[in-house]
Amino acid sequence: DQQVKQNSPSLSVQEGRISILNCDYTNSMFDYFLWYKKYPAEGPTFLISISSIKDKNEDGRFTVFLNKSAKHLSLHIVPSQPGDSAVYFCAASAAGTYKYIFGTGTRLKVLA
Amino acid sequence: DSGVTQTPKHLITATGQRVTLRCSPRSGDLSVYWYQQSLDQGLQFLIQYYNGEERAKGNILERFSAQQFPDLHSELNLSSLELGDSALYFCASSERLGSYNEQFFGPGTRLTVL
Repeated sequence: DQQVKQNSPSLSVQEGRISILNCDYTNSMFDYFLWYKKYPAEGPTFLISISSIKDKNEDGRFTVFLNKSAKHLSLHIVPSQPGDSAVYFCAASAAGTYKYIFGTGTRLKVLA
Repeated sequence: DSGVTQTPKHLITATGQRVTLRCSPRSGDLSVYWYQQSLDQGLQFLIQYYNGEERAKGNILERFSAQQFPDLHSELNLSSLELGDSALYFCASSERLGSYNEQFFGPGTRLTVL
């Protein structure tokens, strides 16, 4: 049972435009969400997180939106840069479980 | 560089064999997590240790085991290896135990079972 789903395996965006990566979850107990970026031959690196008490969190060019009623979160990258080309994973956690459930990832390609 | 180190970087072995993957967390981090990433799959959580104690278990096979030592490094032992165990294995560490923690990932160990 895939509790965290990233239904778009890949996405291509023109440099300078907005990239929107989506993530859906099924477990209503999840209350903390993170996005990670992964380059080839490297481990994932943390990008941004959001707690369920918020609906938006911003860090520079990266903004995460959380819609609890729809069990949906999205990562917006504005403006997109070629260096943003990577695989992006969303992850979710429920209080007291001490573990994160990861989605299958979305491969973003930013075209110059 | 996340500060998390994993050895070896690559490992090629045969079915039925046993291997040990090693992870050293960031300095000061007490929690260690192990993940498996098979081809085109997400990161599957295997197990978590905090200060030497197992704290959470995911979809870890009985053929797999892990431990965290007093110096906080961790080892993941995979035995009776099967072709399907070929994957990238990541270790991550975090400072605290709770869920609201950023995890720092190592570069991974690529295991190939022939």
